[in-house]
Amino acid sequence: DAGVIQSPRHEVTEMGQEVTLRCKPISGHNSLFWYRQTMMRGLELLIYFNNNVPIDDSGMPEDRFSAKMPNASFSTLKIQPSEPRDSAVYFCASGDTGTVDGYTFGSGTRLTVV
Amino acid sequence: AQSVTQPDIHITVSEGASLELRCNYSYGATPYLFWYVQSPGQGLQLLLKYFSGDTLVQGIKGFEAEFKRSQSSFNLRKPSVHWSDAAEYFCAVGVMEYGNKLVFGAGTILRVKS
Repeated sequence: DAGVIQSPRHEVTEMGQEVTLRCKPISGHNSLFWYRQTMMRGLELLIYFNNNVPIDDSGMPEDRFSAKMPNASFSTLKIQPSEPRDSAVYFCASGDTGTVDGYTFGSGTRLTVV
Repeated sequence: AQSVTQPDIHITVSEGASLELRCNYSYGATPYLFWYVQSPGQGLQLLLKYFSGDTLVQGIKGFEAEFKRSQSSFNLRKPSVHWSDAAEYFCAVGVMEYGNKLVFGAGTILRVKS
């Protein structure tokens, strides 16, 4: 298996622009998580899906952030409009809630908003 | 609320020396506990996990961790550290009522002296 695949690896954008981060989870996993990592706040859970349905989005910082999971093999995290304080590494992780087996993380997207 | 505390932000050990990284958790039910490692520019990799049974669990790369319920701790150990172990280490607790959401500690950065 290729693991959790995130794209792009790096994104530099100007303030006010829309940014879309993409994630392909491991086939067969039924849960998907979006995390944000910064020096100041560490790893924060933004939102997670179970069987493509958003379960907990309490970590989404503002309405500028939205996430979708249209099918079991694809998810997006969108920021519109982006701001410099959104600069961070965004990780996607997937897992199987039936096994409580921990999660597999993608390599992350490093977002820089200038 | 569930939380994980890693009291040491940075630790430096000499190559070949033993290592112990501390982790304390707060969770009302039986915890599912994890240790992840993150190398620079990479995603998080699962080192080991505890669900139940033997309180001493073995993981990859020669790491082990011991669950102590009385101390609410899950410390990570390695008898002899290699330079390639330099990375950031995260302890996490799985929150079952949210479908196994992982709550992470702030991480401990390990530096290895040659």
